[in-house]
Amino acid sequence: NAGVTQTPKFQVLKTGQSMTLQCAQDMNHEYMSWYRQDPGMGLRLIHYSVGAGITDQGEVPNGYNVSRSTTEDFPLRLLSAAPSQTSVYFCASSPARLATNEKLFFGSGTQLSVL
Amino acid sequence: AQKVTQAQTEISVVEKEDVTLDCVYETRDTTYYLFWYKQPPSGELVFLIRRNSFDEQNEISGRYSWNFQKSTSSFNFTITASQVVDSAVYFCALSDLNSGGYQKVTFGIGTKLQVIP
Repeated sequence: NAGVTQTPKFQVLKTGQSMTLQCAQDMNHEYMSWYRQDPGMGLRLIHYSVGAGITDQGEVPNGYNVSRSTTEDFPLRLLSAAPSQTSVYFCASSPARLATNEKLFFGSGTQLSVL
Repeated sequence: AQKVTQAQTEISVVEKEDVTLDCVYETRDTTYYLFWYKQPPSGELVFLIRRNSFDEQNEISGRYSWNFQKSTSSFNFTITASQVVDSAVYFCALSDLNSGGYQKVTFGIGTKLQVIP
């Protein structure tokens, strides 16, 4: 019963460094997404994917890259980290591509600090 | 555009008081879905309830109840006889279709509830 697995749990970067946040799910879900959580801003959608090879931008995509080469994995890449990207990141998955009453399955989050 | 408004950013209540968390949403879709999630201090996101746009029946689950009113685009959450363990951030969320025809889940900014013993 792994569900959605995110790694790492904590990360500190220097401005300009790059890194990849990993997300994997073992439920064969089509839909995967990345959110960032900031105080007073709630959860904002960064990127999402509706299947292998299909990705699209969310509300706050700038500075982030994604790809979906397999159903299971949906990594989030920070190309050149900036202090504004200090946040808590959540990966989430769902069985459905369309609007649905299926809940989102969340990972445990990654706390990222960019100095 | 989709939007979820949680006007109450922080609420403090004394234990055993009732508390209602407000959620107002905007969508152009006629079919949509609403959710509440809880984020306790440990940080994980816990699903509480879902509601379809075509089902306005209110729901009660123990001390929790939800009032869905399409006429006012609201999906409010009431905790009866609050307990310290209810202290958390509560998020309201809306699932509908984005311009590409795929699911988009939009969250409110969350309401931080503190229950004081």
